Amino acid sequence: DTGVSQDPRHKITKRGQNVTFRCDPISEHNRLYWYRQTLGQGPEFLTYFQNEAQLEKSRLLSDRFSAERPKGSFSTLEIQRTEQGDSAMYLCASSPQGDQYEQYFGPGTRLTVT
Amino acid sequence: SQELEQSPQSLIVQEGKNLTINCTSSKTLYGLYWYKQKYGEGLIFLMMLQKGGEEKSHEKITAKLDEKKQQSSLHITASQPSHAGIYLCGARQGTNAGKSTFGDGTTLTVKP
Repeated sequence: DTGVSQDPRHKITKRGQNVTFRCDPISEHNRLYWYRQTLGQGPEFLTYFQNEAQLEKSRLLSDRFSAERPKGSFSTLEIQRTEQGDSAMYLCASSPQGDQYEQYFGPGTRLTVT
Repeated sequence: SQELEQSPQSLIVQEGKNLTINCTSSKTLYGLYWYKQKYGEGLIFLMMLQKGGEEKSHEKITAKLDEKKQQSSLHITASQPSHAGIYLCGARQGTNAGKSTFGDGTTLTVKP
């Protein structure tokens, strides 16, 4: 069990550019979650997948945001036309399906939009 | 949607002292999680509580769930500098729900 990994760990981009983040969950976990966290706040839910199906999206996920999990393994989160307000830590988590399981979080990708 | 309110927002204690952090939900709790986060890093799972009255302990950290009050407490006994960090409570939005809500965290500083 190597844990949840995220890449890159840090990303600095200019406003208007597109960015893509990758998350590799724990291999046997069929659920994968994306959260956004800003300074002094708790993680805010963005979306989650069960296998390759995207089952729920937050209204926080505007049209500029898209997430995929094409083969039910790794996931990508893309932000198009980045804005300064997108600067945040983007956290990925995974878990097995079921109420008895906790979510395991990755180290996060810190995005800075200049 | 469900909201989780944590108190206090921050806490400074002397090493060796006990402390309690509270988490109150605006709605029925379907499982309550406690995580610890170091600044700029991911969340580390501490404990999960699923039933009213449930109490779990890990080393010097104990968490309890009061389902009727829709509240959970995290208690640290004889705090150490290694306990310093941000403690976050989280809860599922419903049975078998994928979406979880988190509180804004309690920042703990332990003075040696």
